Parts: sequence; structure tokens; C-alpha cells
Amino acid sequence: QVQLQQSGAELAKPGSSVKISCKASGYTFTSYYISWIKQTTGQGLEYIGYINTGSGGTNYNEKFKGKATLTVDKSSSTAFMQLSSLTPDDSAVYYCASRNWFAYWGQGTLVTVSS
Amino acid sequence: AIQVTQSPTSLSASLGDRVTLTCRASQDINNKMAWYQQKPGEVPQLLIYYASTLQSGTPSRFSGSGAGTDFSFTISHLQSEDFATYYCLQGYSLWTFGGGTKLELK
Repeated sequence: QVQLQQSGAELAKPGSSVKISCKASGYTFTSYYISWIKQTTGQGLEYIGYINTGSGGTNYNEKFKGKATLTVDKSSSTAFMQLSSLTPDDSAVYYCASRNWFAYWGQGTLVTVSS
Repeated sequence: AIQVTQSPTSLSASLGDRVTLTCRASQDINNKMAWYQQKPGEVPQLLIYYASTLQSGTPSRFSGSGAGTDFSFTISHLQSEDFATYYCLQGYSLWTFGGGTKLELK
């Protein structure tokens, strides 16, 4: 069955970076883009961007350009999102999602930015 | 970027009620709209895509309609498991979520 398995919670200091992973299984990895979505505690969903898992091409929501960097490792069917220059506003749950209309989601990775 | 305005932000309803949520896109998005349900502590779940197509497993009491800029999502007969937050998502140009509607028991 299709699964997206994300890496564990992160506690980071302001100004640092974190890299979250999303390992896909149960389907042909390069057949579907992987998208990333941010959800602040108790708040709504924000679309960050997507990566073409075949070519590595990316497309970002303007708001997250310079904040998020999406990469992929086809050999391990894993997508990554690096968040840089972290501030407390980056504290959130981050999801990866894939397949048509985001039919499948990872379980979410909690990122907490605190000194 | 396409903006999506979802309303209402919250809604109180009773078991058995019929409720309708709406989303308005800032430009014509054809039928590129989806709806999701999210319960506390859970991952969003796709219910409807292309405005009106039910995802496999979505109960028939859920329905969607609309095209262009105006879309609606209806639950015809509320059941206890339907109390959750609902989001719309436009997929015409990149992707944009609506702000969400929290559906609560009256």
C-alpha cells in the first residue's frame, strides 16, 4: 500500500536549519510529484511547493522561496525539505503529500524553533 | 497567485443537519477544486476532487459542486464522525488552500 513515512520531530535554534525527509513506498516514486505543506498549531494549511521526483525540478509558493529547499533521492525513494534561517514562525507541523490531489499524506513532522 | 476564500470559518450544526461550505477563488480555476477533512491530531483526508468527484471511500452524503470561481461542499445528513475541520484546495495554478471551516456540534 502507498505510504509516505516522514522523519521525526525536530527541535532547532533560531537561525539554524533542519532537513526533513519523506520516504515513499508502495508505488513508483518517480511517477508522482511530492508536495510539502505547513500547518501551524491550531491553524490552517499552507502550500510550500513541490518537487518533480523524476527530474528534480521544483516550484515554490512565493512565500517560501528562500526558506524551503526541496530535493529528492531517487535511489531511496525519498524526498527532502530543508528549512533555513529558522525563526519561531517556522514552528509548525510539516507534511509531505503525493499522488493525484494529495490523496496520500505523510504523518507529519513537528518542527519547533526555540532558543 | 490565486487566493481562495473559504466561508464560514466556523459552523455549529446538529446531527442530521444539511450543511454547506463555500470557497471562492480569485480567478477562474475551471473545476480544479478539492475538499479535505481533518480531525484533531490526524492528517487531512481527501474527500472530493475536480469539484464534484468523490474520492474512493468517501460516503455519498458528501457532495461538491461549482466551476469557475465559486464552489460549494455539502454534507447532506450530518453524522457524529463528520464534526471536523474542512479545507478546500485549488489546483489550477500551483496550489492554494482555503482558510478552513471548523464544523462543531451545536
